[in-house]
Amino acid sequence: AQRVTQPEKLLSVFKGAPVELKCNYSYSGSPELFWYVQYSRQRLQLLLRHISRESIKGFTADLNKGETSFHLKKPFAQEEDSAMYYCAPQGGKLIFGQGTELSVKP
Amino acid sequence: DTEVIQTPKHLVMGMTNKKSLKCEQHMGHRAMYWYKQKAKKPPELMFVYSYEKLSINESVPSRFSPECPNSSLLNLHLHALQPEDSALYLCASGQIDLTDTQYFGPGTRLTVL
Repeated sequence: AQRVTQPEKLLSVFKGAPVELKCNYSYSGSPELFWYVQYSRQRLQLLLRHISRESIKGFTADLNKGETSFHLKKPFAQEEDSAMYYCAPQGGKLIFGQGTELSVKP
Repeated sequence: DTEVIQTPKHLVMGMTNKKSLKCEQHMGHRAMYWYKQKAKKPPELMFVYSYEKLSINESVPSRFSPECPNSSLLNLHLHALQPEDSALYLCASGQIDLTDTQYFGPGTRLTVL
């Protein structure tokens, strides 16, 4: 069965601290992997996707096929990073993880 | 125009009412999606249209009826809903390949009384 797990429901860090949001997936085939972000009162939007290998707003994500993980990382969190983050493998099935709420405190 | 537009923003309806949610995009995308999102939960896929044809129906109750009149428009017709159907309904669009980025609208906040 296709499944994606984000083990932390809430992650709270102080400004300037490193942050890592975990994502593990179980998916037949080779899905494309995405991180979407939902800021307060804004629409759900793409943060980054694996295939483009970009760094967006200082975030990067590394695909580990052996561990089937796609963790999202940022070396120095900012208050404006506070949002809901969803890991989403996409292929024949479209699924989102349960989400991790990131709270960055001043 | 690089946005997905959804109307109305808010909708309150009774269980016997019939209403429709509308979604519009002018990015030339040929795949359009309906999702349901409860508070603090991830979006749940309801329907996918590819080239104006329904390609995925995630076993959604028949009280939800999607329609894709043309490549830019997507409707969701609602009839005899239940209070538990209250949620944020999101429309998204993307390229025909399901592995491509989806662009989301702001959603319609639906309350069923």
